[in-house]
Amino acid sequence: EAGVTQFPSHSVIEKGQTVTLRCDPISGHDNLYWYRRVMGKEIKFLLHFVKESKQDESGMPNNRFLAERTGGTYSTLKVQPAELEDSGVYFCASSQSSEQYFGPGTRLTVT
Amino acid sequence: GENVEQHPSTLSVQEGDSAVIKCTYSDSASNYFPWYKQELGKGPQLIIDIRSNVGEKKDQRIAVTLNKTAKHFSLHITETQPEDSAVYFCAAKYGGTASKLTFGTGTRLQVTL
Repeated sequence: EAGVTQFPSHSVIEKGQTVTLRCDPISGHDNLYWYRRVMGKEIKFLLHFVKESKQDESGMPNNRFLAERTGGTYSTLKVQPAELEDSGVYFCASSQSSEQYFGPGTRLTVT
Repeated sequence: GENVEQHPSTLSVQEGDSAVIKCTYSDSASNYFPWYKQELGKGPQLIIDIRSNVGEKKDQRIAVTLNKTAKHFSLHITETQPEDSAVYFCAAKYGGTASKLTFGTGTRLQVTL
């Protein structure tokens, strides 16, 4: 069974540009989460989808971040316009119950 | 909201020795406590978890203990091997089954030969 996949693995963009991250969850997992780790700090929750619906978006930092989950399958996280403080590793996770399984992450660098 | 503290931030042990990583949480309603191992260039991998109705759980060389009264939980690795070297994260969850996780800041474990 394939795990959670994320694309791209790395992205380097300039301040003010737009970036879109993609996550493909484990097949059959209704729950999809986005997390972020900034500058070696803790992994912080961004938001949670149940199928195509946003269940909890309390961790989204501001309206420059937009997450979607088309048809309840893959999800995208768009940052527009990107700021320097958005640099970090963005993780996606999926679950069908309590256990959350993480993808390899996308390392975003904003210069 | 929930807050999780993790100590130590770095830990160096000799191969064969034991390693212990400790976490505390703030919300007494938290009911699920997973531990993740992150190797270089990879995402966090779930290695063991414990629920609030259990005090201890063991899986081969790895064990987790939970003290609900003190709001502490710990990861114990025995007979450490070089491949145990990684960053370990504790986490806590309160609310429903699929609620978000709140993570500690991570412990970098180095197992030396």
